Amino acid sequence: GEDVEQSLFLSVREGDSSVINCTYTDSSSTYLYWYKQEPGAGLQLLTYIFSNMDMKQDQRLTVLLNKKDKHLSLRIADTQTGDSAIYFCAERGGATNKLIFGTGTLLAVQP
Amino acid sequence: DTEVTQTPKHLVMGMTNKKSLKCEQHMGHRAMYWYKQKAKKPPELMFVYSYEKLSINESVPSRFSPECPNSSLLNLHLHALQPEDSALYLCASSQGQYSFQETQYFGPGTRLLVL
Repeated sequence: GEDVEQSLFLSVREGDSSVINCTYTDSSSTYLYWYKQEPGAGLQLLTYIFSNMDMKQDQRLTVLLNKKDKHLSLRIADTQTGDSAIYFCAERGGATNKLIFGTGTLLAVQP
Repeated sequence: DTEVTQTPKHLVMGMTNKKSLKCEQHMGHRAMYWYKQKAKKPPELMFVYSYEKLSINESVPSRFSPECPNSSLLNLHLHALQPEDSALYLCASSQGQYSFQETQYFGPGTRLLVL
């Protein structure tokens, strides 16, 4: 199947690090993405990683990819209240080339 | 510029109405997409256009009719919708459907309510 799983909810304090996890199933996926969706808004591309990489860092964001376990994570350093949103991981399916989204994680940042 | 625009932002329509959603991008992208998103769920792919031709139709009911008049514009024509069609409709575009580094950029969405 093409199920991409995420935990539903994560609560952190402002200034702490947040880690959002994602488990995917298609081992032939070429690219994996993280999108952010604020209430009532569209999806904002945050970052992406190519499947032959283990890690990618972009300012406060660090993406880790464990291809053996099909596990992807997004770490947000120094989390701010403006980071509160739903975060979706997505894989680009190797066979279909479609974007398959995870179930989404609601990140709540407490001041 | 990675902007995809969508109009209208909100739409309320009756089950007998005909309306259209519009999407525009000026990034030179040749693939455009329609997604439907229900509350607290991930987006679901509806249609893909590649080089202005319909490439993928995810078994969407015929009351939804997509149209791609040119490489920058994508429309979604709505007719005889049902209340369960109420959702956020998202448009996206990418460089190409099968390009090596394909990244989809999303618009802000149109929130549709069918009464």
